[in-house]
Amino acid sequence: DTGVSQDPRHKITKRGQNVTFRCDPISEHNRLYWYRQTLGQGPEFLTYFQNEAQLEKSRLLSDRFSAERPKGSFSTLEIQRTEQGDSAMYLCASSLGRGHTGELFFGEGSRLTVL
Amino acid sequence: GESVGLHLPTLSVQEGDNSIINCAYSNSASDYFIWYKQESGKGPQFIIDIRSNMDKRQGQRVTVLLNKTVKHLSLQIAATQPGDSAVYFCAENPGGGNKLTFGTGTQLKVEL
Repeated sequence: DTGVSQDPRHKITKRGQNVTFRCDPISEHNRLYWYRQTLGQGPEFLTYFQNEAQLEKSRLLSDRFSAERPKGSFSTLEIQRTEQGDSAMYLCASSLGRGHTGELFFGEGSRLTVL
Repeated sequence: GESVGLHLPTLSVQEGDNSIINCAYSNSASDYFIWYKQESGKGPQFIIDIRSNMDKRQGQRVTVLLNKTVKHLSLQIAATQPGDSAVYFCAENPGGGNKLTFGTGTQLKVEL
């Protein structure tokens, strides 16, 4: 399978714990995006990378959230001191990013439940 | 069947009928629009896109119409099938930037 892959698919954690999600984009894609989706809502933009550079971050991305893409390939999203409000689906997407915005290819998401 | 998207989040149609899902976008500077389909428990899946220099684009059984004057986007699905049942999201790139902003979505239910 050469699509966007995310790991883990499901994560249940207790409030206050740290969690990390990994995203492997489509190999030739240089843009990588993180979105968050809660039940019944559309995906909300969190951040995106062009290669290894983090070019934009949403105000939704509090200090407890950090994302990295160290070698311009896979990315990690870490949430520290999780809160119940962090419970959501975390979606990763990638795109070719040649100039104009194009189609974002989404992974199946990592569902986080904070107890 | 026809839906105003944000105001009627559920659209029910009979199998074989045409579906129209509507979306009002917010940013007049957006120059790229895209429709995604999302099935339960899965990530959004691309359906069709359109750039602001066009007002209509057709795919296989789907057509997207763009009216920039009233900032309105619609998705038409011909001969709707049970497999089309899903939530449909429109998205725009606000200000012509490199990220997509999604609408709330419309649940399409296809009745046999």
